[in-house]
Amino acid sequence: DIQLTQSPSFVSASVGDRVTITCRASQGISSFLGWYQQKPGKAPKLLIYAASTLQSGVPSRFSGSGSGTKFTLTVSSLQPEDFATYYCRQRSAYPITFGQGTRLEIK
Amino acid sequence: EVQLVESGGGLVQPGGSLRLSCAASGFTFSDHYMDWVRQAPGKGLEWVGRIRKRANSYTTEYAASVKGRFTISRDDSKNSLYLQMNSLKTEDTAIYYCVRVNDDYYLDVWGTGTTVTVSS
Repeated sequence: DIQLTQSPSFVSASVGDRVTITCRASQGISSFLGWYQQKPGKAPKLLIYAASTLQSGVPSRFSGSGSGTKFTLTVSSLQPEDFATYYCRQRSAYPITFGQGTRLEIK
Repeated sequence: EVQLVESGGGLVQPGGSLRLSCAASGFTFSDHYMDWVRQAPGKGLEWVGRIRKRANSYTTEYAASVKGRFTISRDDSKNSLYLQMNSLKTEDTAIYYCVRVNDDYYLDVWGTGTTVTVSS
């Protein structure tokens, strides 16, 4: 199985900060990676697919990059509504796997 | 409006069975693969399984943790997805989400989830 490891697991930041979350795959997955945002009590939401393509309706302050085994999600200027948990997910091979999540909290 | 609504969750004893349903609306259900994803209390997301569309013979894939116990099916005439869960274990306790798979194989529409609790 392909393991996805996110870092950090927890980050505390302020409104306006730039934040980067990393997702590392245990083997190469080309660009077959997506990023999801989940707010408490809500279903996850697709932010970015194919490593760097912004899903329709997602603010441009979100961006993704990477290929192979290292990927990043960056929020250029945090807004209050961005405080949530973020997950990466690979669709390169079965079983499909998620990272363990990164919780982004307000400092 | 594109929507997925799960139902059928509840409390069940270990070893028991439960069938979840997901009603789709606002899009052509038969054109999409569909997944189930679950989330145990306070934990991360876990992919449960997938069913492909008719053109791919409705074939399925499962996570190792549920293979042989869970079965995914669909009824395109009713725009519905199902998850039959047998031999339930306490570790199956979770919110279960029905999810649409887009043409690029990413999960672009999520239901609100239904809660399954396995406990004696």
